[in-house]
Amino acid sequence: DVKVTQSSRYLVKRTGEKVFLECVQDMDHENMFWYRQDPGLGLRLIYFSYDVKMKEKGDIPEGYSVSREKKERFSLILESASTNQTSMYLCASSPTGGYQPQHFGDGTRLSIL
Amino acid sequence: RKEVEQDPGPFNVPEGATVAFNCTYSNSASQSFFWYRQDCRKEPKLLMSVYSSGNEDGRFTAQLNRASQYISLLIRDSKLSDSATYLCVVNGGSSGSARQLTFGSGTQLTVLP
Repeated sequence: DVKVTQSSRYLVKRTGEKVFLECVQDMDHENMFWYRQDPGLGLRLIYFSYDVKMKEKGDIPEGYSVSREKKERFSLILESASTNQTSMYLCASSPTGGYQPQHFGDGTRLSIL
Repeated sequence: RKEVEQDPGPFNVPEGATVAFNCTYSNSASQSFFWYRQDCRKEPKLLMSVYSSGNEDGRFTAQLNRASQYISLLIRDSKLSDSATYLCVVNGGSSGSARQLTFGSGTQLTVLP
């Protein structure tokens, strides 16, 4: 089974802090994704990556950056956290190429105070 | 217009009932289609892929109509454990990449004893 592991289930940070969310997958998947999920808005793609050191903007990249230094690890960075970034963050991965289903981690519930 | 539209529900049905969910998508270039299931405060999990000829997995049947850009999910003999939110998913999105998946906001199902 695919295992996607997110570093924290719950995280509380303060406005203005730099926040790192980490995600690791163990299936040698090429593609990795970061989403946020908010009530009534569904899952929205923030960034994705299809190779080491490669990244592509999703639908809502503003206020976020990402890092992929190794194939198995994809980090989401909130450069200066704001209260409107309080959300559930979900990491996902999928195999080589496109058209494949994605496998999700358990999610990180992030609160910015 | 949303790229993937679903009736949010909620659908409240008795055990043993048959229930159908519908979904429309706007990207005519989409090539792969999925239904995901998401339990409360959990990550989305792949329920089934949707193929052009329609496909069945036990009590679940998925249909695709490319001409109308319409996807459906039928659940027969509903169980209490089917209670969840069902997400309609198509590939493609604002990035223009086939790797990206676009998620509907979900249809909430509650199966009542």
